[in-house]
Amino acid sequence: KNQVEQSPQSLIILEGKNCTLQCNYTVSPFSNLRWYKQDTGRGPVSLTIMTFSENTKSNGRYTATLDADTKQSSLHITASQLSDSASYICVVSSLSTDKLIFGTGTRLQVFP
Amino acid sequence: DAGVIQSPRHEVTEMGQEVTLRCKPISGHDYLFWYRQTMMRGLELLIYFNNNVPIDDSGMPEDRFSAKMPNASFSTLKIQPSEPRDSAVYFCASSPGTSATNEKLFFGSGTQLSVL
Repeated sequence: KNQVEQSPQSLIILEGKNCTLQCNYTVSPFSNLRWYKQDTGRGPVSLTIMTFSENTKSNGRYTATLDADTKQSSLHITASQLSDSASYICVVSSLSTDKLIFGTGTRLQVFP
Repeated sequence: DAGVIQSPRHEVTEMGQEVTLRCKPISGHDYLFWYRQTMMRGLELLIYFNNNVPIDDSGMPEDRFSAKMPNASFSTLKIQPSEPRDSAVYFCASSPGTSATNEKLFFGSGTQLSVL
């Protein structure tokens, strides 16, 4: 069954610290892997999209990595800011169904 | 561009009533998606359209749910009759291409539906 699992479910860090969020998936074959940021009360916003052949992609202080062999991805946030407080959702595109499979997200809280 | 626009932002209704959610996609986007988000199940695809034509409605939970896209700039999701278990946030999203094409998916701000 195509699944996307994220860890941890929630995370609390202090402003200025770095953190790494994990994503494991069983979707195969897959077309791309995406990370979204969802602020409370808003819709998800795309951070990165990586294809099978890409190992890393950055968007400002956000850096996503992908290991297609182990079916793992991570999202690293550098020098966290209060505005980074949000849910981060890992999403994998299934090549066979042409649908997105969503993880349930990691809830990040950044405190001053 | 104003992005994907959804209305209403919040809807509170009583069980058995009809609910209509509305969406205006980003101009030029050929694909429109309706998602439902709950704490337990996360984001789930309900239905998607390509060029106003429904392509896959396998995620629509029951016959009580229906969706239409009469033109490229407007779509509705209707629930009739509504039930308390329909309470969730409903998102509309649009994209220039399918998920396999690496195109970004743009979400609206969602409609928070509460069925009492």
